[in-house]
Amino acid sequence: AQRVTQPEKLLSVFKGAPVELKCNYSYSGSPELFWYVQYSRQRLQLLLRHISRESIKGFTADLNKGETSFHLKKPFAQEEDSAMYYCALSGNAGGTSYGKLTFGQGTILTVHP
Amino acid sequence: ETGVTQSPTHLIKTRGQQVTLRCSSQSGHNTVSWYQQALGQGPQFIFQYYREEENGRGNFPPRFSGLQFPNYSSELNVNALELDDSALYLCASSLAGGLADTQYFGPGTRLTVL
Repeated sequence: AQRVTQPEKLLSVFKGAPVELKCNYSYSGSPELFWYVQYSRQRLQLLLRHISRESIKGFTADLNKGETSFHLKKPFAQEEDSAMYYCALSGNAGGTSYGKLTFGQGTILTVHP
Repeated sequence: ETGVTQSPTHLIKTRGQQVTLRCSSQSGHNTVSWYQQALGQGPQFIFQYYREEENGRGNFPPRFSGLQFPNYSSELNVNALELDDSALYLCASSLAGGLADTQYFGPGTRLTVL
């Protein structure tokens, strides 16, 4: 079974401080991991995916298969980073190849001025 | 680029009724997935359609059904509505529905069942 856990429902930091949003997953195969973000009054949108190994808006995330984690990090948080962040997993369990996303419960990040 | 659209924005139904929610995918996207998002929870996968065929299904009963049309539009139908069906319903389109494909989400339809 696929499972994604985001242990923090709420995370508050001050502008300029480092931020780390935690994500742990449970999956028996080789997963694809994503971070989606939802800004206030906007739709859910992709922030980054591990396969691209890119930095988006200063955010990075490293897949650690040993710890089954995919934490999202940013060295210096900005006020505009305040949003809901979802970690999601797309896996091929059961031999299927379609991209079913399993989401965590989300973390609300608030960056204070 | 034309984004994913959904209609209606909000809907109120009573228990036992049937509802149809609509989605228009991005042009060229052959795959549409539907998700249910209860308050305070992450989206939960309902099913996926690829080129008008159901491609995979989550843990939802058969009263949740769907259709996908050749013009990139799709529907989610829910029969015999229950109070617990109250949620935000999201559709997401992607090119081919592969594991690493980016899914582009619509704004959602908020369904309230009384």
